[in-house]
Amino acid sequence: GQQVMQIPQYQHVQEGEDFTTYCNSSTTLSNIQWYKQRPGGHPVFLIQLVKSGEVKKQKRLTFQFGEAKKNSSLHITATQTTDVGTYFCAGRTTDSWGKLQFGAGTQVVVTP
Amino acid sequence: DAGVIQSPRHEVTEMGQEVTLRCKPISGHDYLFWYRQTMMRGLELLIYFNNNVPIDDSGMPEDRFSAKMPNASFSTLKIQPSEPRDSAVYFCASTTGGPHQPQHFGDGTRLSIL
Repeated sequence: GQQVMQIPQYQHVQEGEDFTTYCNSSTTLSNIQWYKQRPGGHPVFLIQLVKSGEVKKQKRLTFQFGEAKKNSSLHITATQTTDVGTYFCAGRTTDSWGKLQFGAGTQVVVTP
Repeated sequence: DAGVIQSPRHEVTEMGQEVTLRCKPISGHDYLFWYRQTMMRGLELLIYFNNNVPIDDSGMPEDRFSAKMPNASFSTLKIQPSEPRDSAVYFCASTTGGPHQPQHFGDGTRLSIL
């Protein structure tokens, strides 16, 4: 079964509002990556977190890796229409033979 | 720099036909991945190679699917015979330094089996 879970599956956001999407693993992750896929496009790497409790920012996007390295979050402030797309997290679990486990993604729709 | 290049971008064919998808990874990348994406199942890893050698093919659906990497700059994913349930977007991705490193995806092949 899927080891990396993402919630919510869908997110409707009013332009200008903030929202957060979450990524949870049943096992400890050695790293967590976030990707963004625009409608009709391909996943594009955004960022990687490696350290426990690590926080990284990219403009209006804030990424966090949990203290126990079992969860992560992506917070977007002042959502814009350009934020539309599906956000995937991917992590290397201890029993995944070194490969990344992708979550199912959070599909974000922004209403002007 | 050239990214991962996939061809064709779109493929429409009839059930039972052989389908071949192609991928050229980023030069210097020693890991290559094939993914399948559908609404129902999301992004699934089918197989990945390291230095042209298949490492993990546990995601390959069944014997109708096969993948090869004859050299560092070319890989194919073949479906024979194709079935309607194979309709999906197939992505190729590459990276270097380990299968857990950030991956660069191609534009994908949108496959429709009628």
